[in-house]
Amino acid sequence: NAGVMQNPRHLVRRRGQEARLRCSPMKGHSHVYWYRQLPEEGLKFMVYLQKENIIDESGMPKERFSAEFPKEGPSILRIQQVVRGDSAAYFCASSPQATNTEAFFGQGTRLTVV
Amino acid sequence: GENVEQHPSTLSVQEGDSAVIKCTYSDSASNYFPWYKQELGKRPQLIIDIRSNVGEKKDQRIAVTLNKTAKHFSLHITETQPEDSAVYFCAASRNNNDMRFGAGTRLTVKP
Repeated sequence: NAGVMQNPRHLVRRRGQEARLRCSPMKGHSHVYWYRQLPEEGLKFMVYLQKENIIDESGMPKERFSAEFPKEGPSILRIQQVVRGDSAAYFCASSPQATNTEAFFGQGTRLTVV
Repeated sequence: GENVEQHPSTLSVQEGDSAVIKCTYSDSASNYFPWYKQELGKRPQLIIDIRSNVGEKKDQRIAVTLNKTAKHFSLHITETQPEDSAVYFCAASRNNNDMRFGAGTRLTVKP
């Protein structure tokens, strides 16, 4: 059972371009969380999804950011028209439907906007 | 939603001493409290967790305590070693929904 897979590991985008970050949860996991981490800072909640549903997107900026977790395929975090302030590490974590169990993190995608 | 606060933000101890990190949470319905360790450049990984039906849990040099009435929980590391140096995050969730993390504590263990 492979762990949570995120790709790409590193992504460089010019200002104004789009960034797509992918997260394949562990097999059997139906919950996905996305977090943003700035250098030397903590994990800031962005969005919580279950298959085909956004459960809580209160941590995600209303503009330029969107997330999905389709029935088939990975979860996608999409950032349109990136700006320098979007540069950060983006981590996803997945957990099974069972309650009160560990959430496993992916290796993260380090986005650099130049 | 849940709000988790974590203190201190940085902690420096001498090798062999104990380290204590404290967290508070706001949602009284939260019932799962994991602790994660993140080494530089790596992903956070679970080191211990506690559920709301117990008050304390221990795993070798690591222990976690939970006070549901006061809505706070703590991580205790005894006999610290240099390899314990990392950033530690507490988290709280209700039935695995909406897991929120504290801001993290950077622990430095000086040899």
